[in-house]
Amino acid sequence: AQSVAQPEDQVNVAEGNPLTVKCTYSVSGNPYLFWYVQYPNRGLQFLLKYITGDNLVKGSYGFEAEFNKSQTSFHLKKPSALVSDSALYFCAVRVPRRGTDKLIFGTGTRLQVFP
Amino acid sequence: DTGVSQDPRHKITKRGQNVTFRCDPISEHNRLYWYRQTLGQGPEFLTYFQNEAQLEKSRLLSDRFSAERPKGSFSTLEIQRTEQGDSAMYLCASSLQGFQETQYFGPGTRLLVL
Repeated sequence: AQSVAQPEDQVNVAEGNPLTVKCTYSVSGNPYLFWYVQYPNRGLQFLLKYITGDNLVKGSYGFEAEFNKSQTSFHLKKPSALVSDSALYFCAVRVPRRGTDKLIFGTGTRLQVFP
Repeated sequence: DTGVSQDPRHKITKRGQNVTFRCDPISEHNRLYWYRQTLGQGPEFLTYFQNEAQLEKSRLLSDRFSAERPKGSFSTLEIQRTEQGDSAMYLCASSLQGFQETQYFGPGTRLLVL
C-alpha cells in the first residue's frame, strides 16, 4: 500500500534558525511528491513539488525540499524561519498510474516558530 | 484565476439530515477532486472527475455519499442521512489533466453533525 510518513507531530524552531520538516514515503513506482501548508480553518496552499530532474526543488516563501530516492525521503527545508511560517505542513505523494489519480497525504507536522 | 471556491464554508446539521456542498474549480481545470479531513489527520481522497465523468471513488465514499459534476464545471457533494462520524472538513481541489500538474485546493467546508 502507498503511504506517507511525517514522523514528527510538531517541530519547534527559533526565528532566524534553519528548519526541517521530515517526510518519507513508501510507494511502488516513481512518485511525484508535494508539500502543502495549511493555516487555521483554511484549505491547503501549494508550496512545491518534485516531478523529475534536480533533486533540490525550490518553492514558495523561501521553502525548498530535497528528494532522496535511496532514502525515500522528501524533507522540507528553509534556511531562516519566520514566525509567520507557523502552520501545519503536509507532505503528499502521487503515483502516476492508469485509472487512478489521487494525492496520498501524511498526517501533518505542526511547525511552531518562536520569536 | 480566482482560485477554487467552496460553499458553504460552515454547515451545522442534525443527524439524519441531508447536506449538499458545492465546489467551483479554477475555470480552465478539467479535473476536480474531493477530499475529507478529520481533526489531526491529513486529507483523504474521496473521488475525482475529469470533465463530467467520475473516474475514481474511494471506499470511504459510502452509499450515503454522492458527487456530481453535471456540466464539467462546478461539482456538488451530497451526504444523505448524515451521521456524527461525517463531521469533518470537506476539501475540493482542481487541476489540469496530467500527473505532474498541481492540485489547487479550496478553503473547505466544515461540517458538524449534531
